[in-house]
Amino acid sequence: GIQVEQSPPDLILQEGANSTLRCNFSDSVNNLQWFHQNPWGQLINLFYIPSGTKQNGRLSATTVATERYSLLYISSSQTTDSGVYFCAVEPTGTASKLTFGTGTRLQVTL
Amino acid sequence: KAGVTQTPRYLIKTRGQQVTLSCSPISGHRSVSWYQQTPGQGLQFLFEYFSETQRNKGNFPGRFSGRQFSNSRSEMNVSTLELGDSALYLCASSSLIGATGETQYFGPGTRLLVL
Repeated sequence: GIQVEQSPPDLILQEGANSTLRCNFSDSVNNLQWFHQNPWGQLINLFYIPSGTKQNGRLSATTVATERYSLLYISSSQTTDSGVYFCAVEPTGTASKLTFGTGTRLQVTL
Repeated sequence: KAGVTQTPRYLIKTRGQQVTLSCSPISGHRSVSWYQQTPGQGLQFLFEYFSETQRNKGNFPGRFSGRQFSNSRSEMNVSTLELGDSALYLCASSSLIGATGETQYFGPGTRLLVL
């Protein structure tokens, strides 16, 4: 099946710093989503981005489908950004079946 | 519009028992998917139902089963519970039309502890 790798696995930042999270995937996809998992376990949708670039406030994401990677940018990080960020993909030819990466655990300190 | 809801939120069972978890999708969504999250295996796909039919299935034993009702609500059942079934079970809904590439929206999860 499709492989999804995220890097780095762990990241510690000071408040106000910027960061880039990467997601590599091994095959073509219909769907790519970025999620933030809150301390209670809920997956919060950040972006639906199978290709192209999107921005939402301090967050932005870019997916280069032809090169099979996606990047999530967090600017001016805040302590509330702490948590685990997941990339998930839906392989071409399937529907509603996401394969998740192992996540990037982000800690933002004061 | 209300989000995906899951009940119960927390559950404690003992080995050998069975458990049923419930998921109500976003109004109008016809696809419901289930995922298991454990520290060791991460987030893994269990199965997906669309219009009351199982469309996709992950690599889990037959003790894990599910169904979907005509109102799109879904239940998953785990029989003969094992300690390793302790996990966060997440449900996602999508698909007004059953196409590929649609956004998945997740519920808050049910945290199951097997003793």
